[in-house]
Amino acid sequence: AQTIHQWPVAEIKAVGSPLSLGCTIKGKSSPNLYWYWQATGGTLQQLFYSITVGQVESVVQLNLSASRPKDDQFILSTEKLLLSHSGFYLCAWSLWGSYEQYFGPGTRLTVL
Amino acid sequence: AQSVTQPDARVTVSEGASLQLRCKYSYSGTPYLFWYVQYPRQGLQLLLKYYSGDPVVQGVNGFEAEFSKSNSSFHLRKASVHWSDSAVYFCVLSAMNYNQGKLIFGQGTKLSIKP
Repeated sequence: AQTIHQWPVAEIKAVGSPLSLGCTIKGKSSPNLYWYWQATGGTLQQLFYSITVGQVESVVQLNLSASRPKDDQFILSTEKLLLSHSGFYLCAWSLWGSYEQYFGPGTRLTVL
Repeated sequence: AQSVTQPDARVTVSEGASLQLRCKYSYSGTPYLFWYVQYPRQGLQLLLKYYSGDPVVQGVNGFEAEFSKSNSSFHLRKASVHWSDSAVYFCVLSAMNYNQGKLIFGQGTKLSIKP
């Protein structure tokens, strides 16, 4: 069975500090991968998607970047955090040709 | 334009009562529709999906949804709610270009269950 793991579970960071969030999917070969951001009490906004290793497309510009160094790994990062980066970050996967997505447990980020 | 509207930000029902959460979508193409549930401080779980065929689709934990093309709606229903159903429910539309995985989310409906 496939599993999706996100790390860390939660982070408290200072404005201006760097950030790296990770996501790993096990049990699925060559999944499409996605990063979403959710403001507290809000809806979800897609940030990035990737259909293959080394290839990442940006959907919105939020001073964040993403990379896919391995088939099963997706990384979200920034060199300088803003207060507006606070929220809940969710990784998701889907199979090529499929419309539904499956979400990870999320990482809660608080920027102070 | 593609959009999803959940007109009720909050819904409160008594345990054991029936439930309907409303969802309206706007999309010119063939809609692929989903309901996801988010429990507090957790990720989203897929409840059910509609691609085509029978307009009433069954999901997990006794949930079902009915698709209506004429009304552009995809309402979620449950015959008898349990306290554990307390969560936020998102109606979601998948636009074309599935590789991008463009999901359009409604604003969510927070469901509270009264004992």
